[in-house]
Amino acid sequence: DAKTTQPNSMESNEEEPVHLPCNHSTISGTDYIHWYRQLPSQGPEYVIHGLTSNVNNRMASLAIAEDRKSSTLILHRATLRDAAVYYCIREEGQGGSEKLVFGKGTKLTVNP
Amino acid sequence: DSGVTQTPKHLITATGQRVTLRCSPRSGDLSVYWYQQSLDQGLQFLIQYYNGEERAKGNILERFSAQQFPDLHSELNLSSLELGDSALYFCASSDGTSGSKVFGPGTRLTVL
Repeated sequence: DAKTTQPNSMESNEEEPVHLPCNHSTISGTDYIHWYRQLPSQGPEYVIHGLTSNVNNRMASLAIAEDRKSSTLILHRATLRDAAVYYCIREEGQGGSEKLVFGKGTKLTVNP
Repeated sequence: DSGVTQTPKHLITATGQRVTLRCSPRSGDLSVYWYQQSLDQGLQFLIQYYNGEERAKGNILERFSAQQFPDLHSELNLSSLELGDSALYFCASSDGTSGSKVFGPGTRLTVL
């Protein structure tokens, strides 16, 4: 049970921002939200993660709702190389025993 | 290149056979994770090792076993193979502090 809900697919145009939503209404107070993406024929790639506050890195931004029941991954300017399946994941476990429980993810298509 | 290496890249074998998949984690990472990705089940967490000890277990079948050696490389052993074991097997590693995991390129197992 992935315990996160994402749209099956989304489309975007190149150089436009993309907002990928995720619902995790049963999240506990200590579960981190992680985002990974998987390009065709490759292993998953870490994008970003956070607990309570918004996070930014060179790849993306993560906006976490105040009640932590949802989050949004923001790609500021989509490129063709961003076409991938994006997974929103609750990291379960603590103290060195964390595991990522993947759901089905959102397949992002980027149009030129 | 994530720094995680997996061998072999492809493996074709017959039902009932036994195979061993090998993973070398990124330099300095003590944790190794194994995931299985099949078309119908998506990415499933199998097992985690930390510095040679089993830390977390997921949906790993009794026919499957893993270990992590003193040099930190890990092996996943799959025995009495069935057609349904055909899948991509990913290894990931982490340093346990950054929160992110890096995935290898995977081993594609085909059971005929």
